[in-house]
Amino acid sequence: KAGVTQTPRYLIKTRGQQVTLSCSPISGHRSVSWYQQTPGQGLQFLFEYFSETQRNKGNFPGRFSGRQFSNSRSEMNVSTLELGDSALYLCASSPGLAQGETQYFGPGTRLLVL
Amino acid sequence: AQSVSQHNHHVILSEAASLELGCNYSYGGTVNLFWYVQYPGQHLQLLLKYFSGDPLVKGIKGFEAEFIKSKFSFNLRKPSVQWSDTAEYFCAVRGLTGGGNKLTFGTGTQLKVEL
Repeated sequence: KAGVTQTPRYLIKTRGQQVTLSCSPISGHRSVSWYQQTPGQGLQFLFEYFSETQRNKGNFPGRFSGRQFSNSRSEMNVSTLELGDSALYLCASSPGLAQGETQYFGPGTRLLVL
Repeated sequence: AQSVSQHNHHVILSEAASLELGCNYSYGGTVNLFWYVQYPGQHLQLLLKYFSGDPLVKGIKGFEAEFIKSKFSFNLRKPSVQWSDTAEYFCAVRGLTGGGNKLTFGTGTQLKVEL
């Protein structure tokens, strides 16, 4: 089975621009979560989707948004980019929401904001 | 709100030394607990997890962890480390109240194993 895939892998943007990142979960997985990883803040939860519905949202400004499609693929969008948005954005998928389920992580999209 | 503390930020060991990485969490309800590892240049991989039953769980590559509910701890151990264990290790908690898969991670422990 193919793992979680994320595109693009690397991205360079300038302040004020917007960006869309894509995540394809493992086949059959219906839950997708997004995390931001930075050297200073570590891994922080952004949001989670299950069956096209947002179930949880982390403490990030409204510039960060996401969605999930009927095929479970997910996108996240960051508008009006700031320098502090430079990070590795990780997507994780799991089959559902049952206790004990494992989240499988993708390789991430590394975003650099200049 | 849930939180996770990893006490050791950087650990340097010689090959064959024993390893114990501390992890404490703060959460008032039932939890699932995880240890993930990130090898250089690779993505996060699950080492092991606890969600019920025997509090001593065994994972891949000879790692194990013990859930001590009274201490809110989930420490990771390995009796004899190898150079290939050099990586960053993350403890994570999933609080089950309210549902969802949200993981709260600790700040990570960078382990370097010297030959």
